[in-house]
Amino acid sequence: GAGVSQSPRYKVAKRGQDVALRCDPISGHVSLFWYQQALGQGPEFLTYFQNEAQLDKSGLPSDRFFAERPEGSVSTLKIQRTQQEDSAVYLCASSPRSLAGDSYEQYFGPGTRLTVT
Amino acid sequence: AQSVAQPEDQVNVAEGNPLTVKCTYSVSGNPYLFWYVQYPNRGLQFLLKYITGDNLVKGSYGFEAEFNKSQTSFHLKKPSALVSDSALYFCAVRDFWSGGYNKLIFGAGTRLAVHP
Repeated sequence: GAGVSQSPRYKVAKRGQDVALRCDPISGHVSLFWYQQALGQGPEFLTYFQNEAQLDKSGLPSDRFFAERPEGSVSTLKIQRTQQEDSAVYLCASSPRSLAGDSYEQYFGPGTRLTVT
Repeated sequence: AQSVAQPEDQVNVAEGNPLTVKCTYSVSGNPYLFWYVQYPNRGLQFLLKYITGDNLVKGSYGFEAEFNKSQTSFHLKKPSALVSDSALYFCAVRDFWSGGYNKLIFGAGTRLAVHP
């Protein structure tokens, strides 16, 4: 079956531009995560959705970052007024469901590599 | 603070030899531990996890990991390395305070290079 897909795969933005990154999770997956992976680093948590509800946005680095999942499937991560420090790979992951004590592994997309010039 | 450490930036091993990629953790409560692998231009792929039970966990592609509570370690192992195992490996732990979902804290990664 289809895995997690992300688009675009590569994005070059000039400093100050707004960007929108899309994530299509595996169909039926309740949980959706966004991570930011800087060069040479491990992924860092940005935000979490359970269906359409954004339950945790503690990792968003500034109010320029905004994420949504209005119908509980596709998600968009938007970055306003991009800065050079926003350059990174943005990873989306989904997992089947979220329960207390959830131990399900996450399925990751290939990521969007954002370069801000 | 909760964290994961991967002390080696790179591990080099000859094909056919056993490999170990090290991971230590610091968390509150009982840890949920994961290993993921990342190939170039691809997303992370799940290898294995430890939640509870046997300390030796078996996963995909012949990998296994040993949970050691006293040493707070979760090292990834494989008895016989393949050139195709060359990739970037990440250890991760679930954030204890995440409220029931897998908010993962990742290590910085270890690059595994398997030489023919």
